[in-house]
Amino acid sequence: GIQVEQSPPDLILQEGANSTLRCNFSDSVNNLQWFHQNPWGQLINLFYIPSGTKQNGRLSATTVATERYSLLYISSSQTTDSGVYFCAVERKRTGGFKTIFGAGTRLFVKA
Amino acid sequence: AAGVIQSPRHLIKEKRETATLKCYPIPRHDTVYWYQQGPGQDPQFLISFYEKMQSDKGSIPDRFSAQQFSDYHSELNMSSLELGDSALYFCASSSGLAGGGSSYEQYFGPGTRLTVT
Repeated sequence: GIQVEQSPPDLILQEGANSTLRCNFSDSVNNLQWFHQNPWGQLINLFYIPSGTKQNGRLSATTVATERYSLLYISSSQTTDSGVYFCAVERKRTGGFKTIFGAGTRLFVKA
Repeated sequence: AAGVIQSPRHLIKEKRETATLKCYPIPRHDTVYWYQQGPGQDPQFLISFYEKMQSDKGSIPDRFSAQQFSDYHSELNMSSLELGDSALYFCASSSGLAGGGSSYEQYFGPGTRLTVT
């Protein structure tokens, strides 16, 4: 099946720093989403980005589907950005779609 | 804006008992997904439904079953609970053709934290 790899697995930042999170996937996908799981366990939608570039405030994302990767950029990080960032891809297969999550990047932003 | 509703939010059961988790999708969403997230793990896809029909199946144990009802809400039934079933169970919904064409952005509920003792 399709493999989804996220890097780095762990990241510690000083408040105000910028960072780039990466998601590589091993086969073509129909959809790709980035999520932030906060310390309370809630999964928050960041981007729905099967291809192209999107920006939302201090966050932006780029997916290059032909090269099978996506990047999430966090600028001017804040302590509230701490948590786990997941990339999830969706691939059509016989009978329906299957969603596969990467292992996540655990981010801690220090004040 | 209305979000995905899950109930209960917390559930404590003993081994070999049964549990039922409920999910109410965002209005006008026709597709529901169930995921299981163990401690320190990424969410694992269990099963999905489109227009009340099962559309895909992941790593769902035979002890679990699910269905989507006429009002689009879904229930995950878990029997003969084991300690390893302790996890956060998420429901997500989307609007789209899960069985053909393309599916769309998934929105997650707050999850049900199941503890099996």
